[in-house]
Amino acid sequence: GAGVSQSPRYKVAKRGQDVALRCDPISGHVSLFWYQQALGQGPEFLTYFQNEAQLDKSGLPSDRFFAERPEGSVSTLKIQRTQQEDSAVYLCASSSGTGEKLFFGSGTQLSVL
Amino acid sequence: DAKTTQPPSMDCAEGRAANLPCNHSTISGNEYVYWYRQIHSQGPQYIIHGLKNNETNEMASLIITEDRKSSTLILPHATLRDTAVYYCIVRSSSGGSYIPTFGRGTSLIVHP
Repeated sequence: GAGVSQSPRYKVAKRGQDVALRCDPISGHVSLFWYQQALGQGPEFLTYFQNEAQLDKSGLPSDRFFAERPEGSVSTLKIQRTQQEDSAVYLCASSSGTGEKLFFGSGTQLSVL
Repeated sequence: DAKTTQPPSMDCAEGRAANLPCNHSTISGNEYVYWYRQIHSQGPQYIIHGLKNNETNEMASLIITEDRKSSTLILPHATLRDTAVYYCIVRSSSGGSYIPTFGRGTSLIVHP
């Protein structure tokens, strides 16, 4: 595709519900990053994949957060038992190398009620 | 990891140059300076990056001081569409991979 695609664009969840956020990176990009952005803040790193390998997950805030990229392309960020503090924009980015110029999607805005 | 410091907000008149400063006094010799911007409701967009030499592209110019402890992003003729949050980041390393770390950036408002 022409750019990084994320879906859904908006997600409203009830507290305690599980959600899955999808990221389609630019074709051929080996690196994929997930970030969380709270209102008025900069993006905060969550996790990083190089192809299918999750090389860094140090930013995941709790064990309720899980990310995967099984075939080295599409990635899914799953949040179990959502809490109100999980409300944020979740951004996905990909790059052709190991963290050079990143291309971001428009994000998924998650609202937990 | 080198940290960056940016003013929280700036404003600029349309058509004038916007000069956005960034302090990265702890930068190491092999770390690049990257600039991104984020327009409301969109993901960050890459602008430019550099190591030690000044750089220019179709979007902006990047001036890095000789000691590399600070840099300035220059938008030569700012337009209303340049209103955005601008992030200066240093490409850090983590186990051989590079994890871009964003701060709060500078909110630039371009006014008519």
